[in-house]
Amino acid sequence: GAVVSQHPSRVICKSGTSVKIECRSLDFQATTMFWYRQFPKKSLMLMATSNEGSKATYEQGVEKDKFLINHASLTLSTLTVTSAHPEDSSFYICSAKPLPTSGTYNEQFFGPGTRLTVL
Amino acid sequence: SQQGEEDPQALSIQEGENATMNCSYKTSINNLQWYRQNSGRGLVHLILIRSNEREKHSGRLRVTLDTSKKSSSLLITASRAADTASYFCATDAETSGSRLTFGEGTQLTVNP
Repeated sequence: GAVVSQHPSRVICKSGTSVKIECRSLDFQATTMFWYRQFPKKSLMLMATSNEGSKATYEQGVEKDKFLINHASLTLSTLTVTSAHPEDSSFYICSAKPLPTSGTYNEQFFGPGTRLTVL
Repeated sequence: SQQGEEDPQALSIQEGENATMNCSYKTSINNLQWYRQNSGRGLVHLILIRSNEREKHSGRLRVTLDTSKKSSSLLITASRAADTASYFCATDAETSGSRLTFGEGTQLTVNP
């Protein structure tokens, strides 16, 4: 159980185009999903918190108009990198937090990541 | 900024040996979690330890938490080549609203 998928796993695009990345919780519902960015051999940096049915909360320094987040259902959140540039090339990882139940303590389950390369 | 700091940054051991990784943090936490990441892949949740717990076991993993020192350790016993990966601690701070803050990670290499 607690499987999170991301699509696509790898994408190469031209500078100036937009890229959409999907994050799905496959066997549980998640009111909250998180988007992270990871540079090679570095840790994960939280970009934004996505809440179903409401606007995402962005971390300081993350441009909300650049990284559009939509969380339209309890199992799907999308991250759209708009007008991508080479510096946006990175590994993007999402995580999903299941609906709270007795005995859970904010476990988050991570997707396999999406490697974005902007030429 | 990253709250967690991990040491060592890199650890290389022989198969069968134990591996110990440490994590320090700065603020009060609800819980601390350890994750594993194979190169270019997503994160796998290993273990969660709550702030009122001091030690937790899961298979060959042993995690300790010392809230007075704001530190945690992850011990992998009888390591295997397949344990080669990056290991991250992540803290759920009391004021974070469920947001996790990750440490810098330890790259573990287990040589066959």
